[in-house]
Amino acid sequence: GENVEQHPSTLSVQEGDSAVIKCTYSDSASNYFPWYKQELGKGPQLIIDIRSNVGEKKDQRIAVTLNKTAKHFSLHITETQPEDSAVYFCAASQRGGADGLTFGKGTHLIIQP
Amino acid sequence: GEEVAQTPKHLVRGEGQKAKLYCAPIKGHSYVFWYQQVLKNEFKFLISFQNENVFDETGMPKERFSAKCLPNSPCSLEIQATKLEDSAVYFCASSPAGGKLFFGSGTQLSVL
Repeated sequence: GENVEQHPSTLSVQEGDSAVIKCTYSDSASNYFPWYKQELGKGPQLIIDIRSNVGEKKDQRIAVTLNKTAKHFSLHITETQPEDSAVYFCAASQRGGADGLTFGKGTHLIIQP
Repeated sequence: GEEVAQTPKHLVRGEGQKAKLYCAPIKGHSYVFWYQQVLKNEFKFLISFQNENVFDETGMPKERFSAKCLPNSPCSLEIQATKLEDSAVYFCASSPAGGKLFFGSGTQLSVL
């Protein structure tokens, strides 16, 4: 089955700086890679996703890049703000989400004022 | 509805008691998923449905866990004879066919 590794487990950055979270996956058949943000006491919220036919996707301060050859993908957050503090999860799926997601173990992002 | 609704928010059970969790998926979504999130943030896939049919149940501890998604009713996840290690947050998610997963806010199950 699929295995998703996520690094780092904790990331502390100064407000206004950029944050990068990296994930690798094992199954070359995976073709859908979402990122979720989870705040304390809440469910995961989809923030951005990318499919394997695209190398990069941007949405305002958030971007995701995908390297299919190396089987890794990354989340980039620019101009970080206090409200970006949360746990971020990457995930992978083989059928665009229809067969569910395999999650990484999460990155606790701390934005220092 | 426009969001996945999970009830109850919190559930406390003594070891050996039964627990039943409910999930109303987003209207029009044909896939429903159940995940278990334990203390260290890890998500464990339990089961998925396509409409009322089980799609994938490879993550279910079948001896004590069961789930249903019946027409015109909320989906449910039932745990018979709960154990201490069942303490976790249980998330339900729904998805249109082959699309993005949208999660509910979870049910915190505490087994004492």
